[in-house]
Amino acid sequence: GAGVSQSPSNKVTEKGKDVELRCDPISGHTALYWYRQSLGQGLEFLIYFQGNSAPDKSGLPSDRFSAERTGGSVSTLTIQRTQQEDSAVYLCASSLMIRDEQFFGPGTRLTVL
Amino acid sequence: SQQGEEDPQALSIQEGENATMNCSYKTSINNLQWYRQNSGRGLVHLILIRSNEREKHSGRLRVTLDTSKKSSSLLITASRAADTASYFCVNSGAGSYQLTFGKGTKLSVIP
Repeated sequence: GAGVSQSPSNKVTEKGKDVELRCDPISGHTALYWYRQSLGQGLEFLIYFQGNSAPDKSGLPSDRFSAERTGGSVSTLTIQRTQQEDSAVYLCASSLMIRDEQFFGPGTRLTVL
Repeated sequence: SQQGEEDPQALSIQEGENATMNCSYKTSINNLQWYRQNSGRGLVHLILIRSNEREKHSGRLRVTLDTSKKSSSLLITASRAADTASYFCVNSGAGSYQLTFGKGTKLSVIP
């Protein structure tokens, strides 16, 4: 079956612009996660959604970051007024239930000039 | 923090040799998961071991868990060049759902 998909695969933007990153999880997976990985670094947890519960936003680095998950499926990560330090690969993952194995998408490489 | 800390940071071996990577964690555990990341296939789940398990096998992979020492190890037997990747452990804790990946162990398998 289809895996986790993300779009766009690459995004180049200018400092100060807003960007939206999209994640399509595996159908039926109730948990969805966003991470980011800066060059040469490990993964940094950003936010997760579990079913219809309120998301855990504790990992979001600033109030410029927000995410939503519509209808318990597709999720959008929005970064407002992008900064150069936001440049990273943003990875989305989903799992059948929270704490189960996570299936990762290919990521969106964001470059802020 | 539920971050797993992998050791060593880098490991270089010859093809056919075994590779052992270790992971230590600090908080209580629900399960511990190992992932692999390489440039070709992205981030892939390898194996999950639950807190009440001590050892688990999957193909050439063997994972052990010692909850008293808060540590886990991943053994890859008869390594192949395709095993070259970074390996991460993730503690899915009994408390907060927040998951944190460390910097991983970078494994290089030389043909």
